[in-house]
Amino acid sequence: GAGVSQSPSNKVTEKGKDVELRCDPISGHTALYWYRQSLGQGLEFLIYFQGNSAPDKSGLPSDRFSAERTGGSVSTLTIQRTQQEDSAVYLCASTGGGMNTEAFFGQGTRLTVV
Amino acid sequence: RKEVEQDPGPFNVPEGATVAFNCTYSNSASQSFFWYRQDCRKEPKLLMSVYSSGNEDGRFTAQLNRASQYISLLIRDSKLSDSATYLCVVSTSGTYKYIFGTGTRLKVLA
Repeated sequence: GAGVSQSPSNKVTEKGKDVELRCDPISGHTALYWYRQSLGQGLEFLIYFQGNSAPDKSGLPSDRFSAERTGGSVSTLTIQRTQQEDSAVYLCASTGGGMNTEAFFGQGTRLTVV
Repeated sequence: RKEVEQDPGPFNVPEGATVAFNCTYSNSASQSFFWYRQDCRKEPKLLMSVYSSGNEDGRFTAQLNRASQYISLLIRDSKLSDSATYLCVVSTSGTYKYIFGTGTRLKVLA
């Protein structure tokens, strides 16, 4: 596709359920990033991938959060046993991987845990 | 200390005013710097990269001060359409990890 695609755009889930968020980066982009943004807050770094490997997972808030990337393309962010504090917009971005390259964002997945 | 810090604002300025934002970063190994713009309930989009020598794009000027570890964004002749949140972004050499500041809200008033 022409841009970064995320699905679903909105997700309402019950506390305790697992959710899976998907990101389809721009074709050929080697680096992929996941961020979380709570209402009125800045972007909180979660994890990034270079190819299929994740050099930095330091931003994942707890072991309930995991992410994977396959084929150097699509990535999924999984949140197990969701809590109300997980409610936020989850943004994915991709870049060509070099320095000084623009990060293109998807429109995000708005997650609401009730 | 946060890796990237910004004054959250809001900065309320009249149309035509000049406004400047600063952003400080803590890692002296930081290599790449950007300003992004985020409109309400939208995804961030690149406004401009920040180069060592400083750079200008129309009404927008970005500067880097490595000695004091901050970057700045100057907006001249503010327009109503400039109202948004401005995010500074820093990346450290060799990691490609993009760290975002919390953003500075700008409101340009008629």
